[in-house]
Amino acid sequence: GAVVSQHPSWVICKSGTSVKIECRSLDFQATTMFWYRQFPKQSLMLMATSNEGSKATYEQGVEKDKFLINHASLTLSTLTVTSAHPEDSSFYICSASRLAGEQFFGPGTRLTVL
Amino acid sequence: RKEVEQDPGPFNVPEGATVAFNCTYSNSASQSFFWYRQDCRKEPKLLMSVYSSGNEDGRFTAQLNRASQYISLLIRDSKLSDSATYLCVVNPRGGSARQLTFGSGTQLTVLP
Repeated sequence: GAVVSQHPSWVICKSGTSVKIECRSLDFQATTMFWYRQFPKQSLMLMATSNEGSKATYEQGVEKDKFLINHASLTLSTLTVTSAHPEDSSFYICSASRLAGEQFFGPGTRLTVL
Repeated sequence: RKEVEQDPGPFNVPEGATVAFNCTYSNSASQSFFWYRQDCRKEPKLLMSVYSSGNEDGRFTAQLNRASQYISLLIRDSKLSDSATYLCVVNPRGGSARQLTFGSGTQLTVLP
């Protein structure tokens, strides 16, 4: 089956620092990747859609200058949380889409900002 | 109104029981429908797609009613390993747009 990896799986950082999260599709090419955020006991909320070679499309209420997305190749998308603050602490999950429309999720990155 | 609404749960059922989850979606133009399961502190994993004619995968049966904008998941002969949160997921736009909208999930605990 389709495998998506994320790195790191967890990170703890100080307020004000930037954190980069990588999402890779390991056995298929993904023209589209998605970034989600999930707070405790809540559902996944789509943050942005990342298309290879073009700018990401952000959902309403998500600051594009704060959450930088780069989708440089068909197998790699990165999310950088800039100047992270405690309210950015969350579970960040990426997914990669195949042509059939199914999405396969990475294992997630748990971010804690102190 | 939320785009995807699910039974609030939680559902606590004995092993071997049959349990059903319901879901409604607001966008009548939605094209694709899925059930995902999510274990605690893990990523969602695709359980099954939902087709117009209804579909079955082992102990799991999914139904779609487009007229009522309603989706269901039936789990027969529940196992302890079925304990998880079940997410009703809809692709509201279809076509080349593959964004998914997630319901808030229904928690299932299967008891020994």
